Amino acid sequence: GENVEQHPSTLSVQEGDSAVIKCTYSDSASNYFPWYKQELGKRPQLIIDIRSNVGEKKDQRIAVTLNKTAKHFSLHITETQPEDSAVYFCAASRLPNAGNMLTFGGGTRLMVKP
Amino acid sequence: DTEVTQTPKHLVMGMTNKKSLKCEQHMGHRAMYWYKQKAKKPPELMFVYSYEKLSINESVPSRFSPECPNSSLLNLHLHALQPEDSALYLCASSQGKFGVEGNTEAFFGQGTRLTVV
Repeated sequence: GENVEQHPSTLSVQEGDSAVIKCTYSDSASNYFPWYKQELGKRPQLIIDIRSNVGEKKDQRIAVTLNKTAKHFSLHITETQPEDSAVYFCAASRLPNAGNMLTFGGGTRLMVKP
Repeated sequence: DTEVTQTPKHLVMGMTNKKSLKCEQHMGHRAMYWYKQKAKKPPELMFVYSYEKLSINESVPSRFSPECPNSSLLNLHLHALQPEDSALYLCASSQGKFGVEGNTEAFFGQGTRLTVV
């Protein structure tokens, strides 16, 4: 089955700095890579996703890059704000055969210091 | 409406109890999922339903019994649980026919925080 590794497990940045979280996956058939943000005591919420036919996707301060050859993808947050503090999970799945069954990475606790 | 609603929010049960977790969505999604999340860990997939049929059971013990009464509802029946089953149980749903690529976002409910004593 799929195995997703995520680094770092914790990340502390100063407000306004950039944050980068990296993930690697093992199953070359995986083709959909979402990123979820989970605040303490709340549900995971999708913040951005990318499919394997695209190398990069951006949404305001958030961007995701994908390297299919190396089987890794990264989340970039620019101009971080205290409200970005949360746990971020990367995930992978195989569309369409596996629906949206997500295998998650271990999570990154991001702390943005004012 | 992009809500997945789970009840109850919190549940404390003894090891001999029988209880049920409920999940509801009205987005017309035909795939629904149960995930288990232990503290400081990622969600782990337990079950997948597609068009009200159980598609995937990720080797979950039989003390967890899922049920999908209709396209909007998903239940998880609990019986004879162990303290190590204490966790946040998350329900999720996504659009599209299982096996056909469609709108891919999986929406999560707030979860039921289960404590087994």
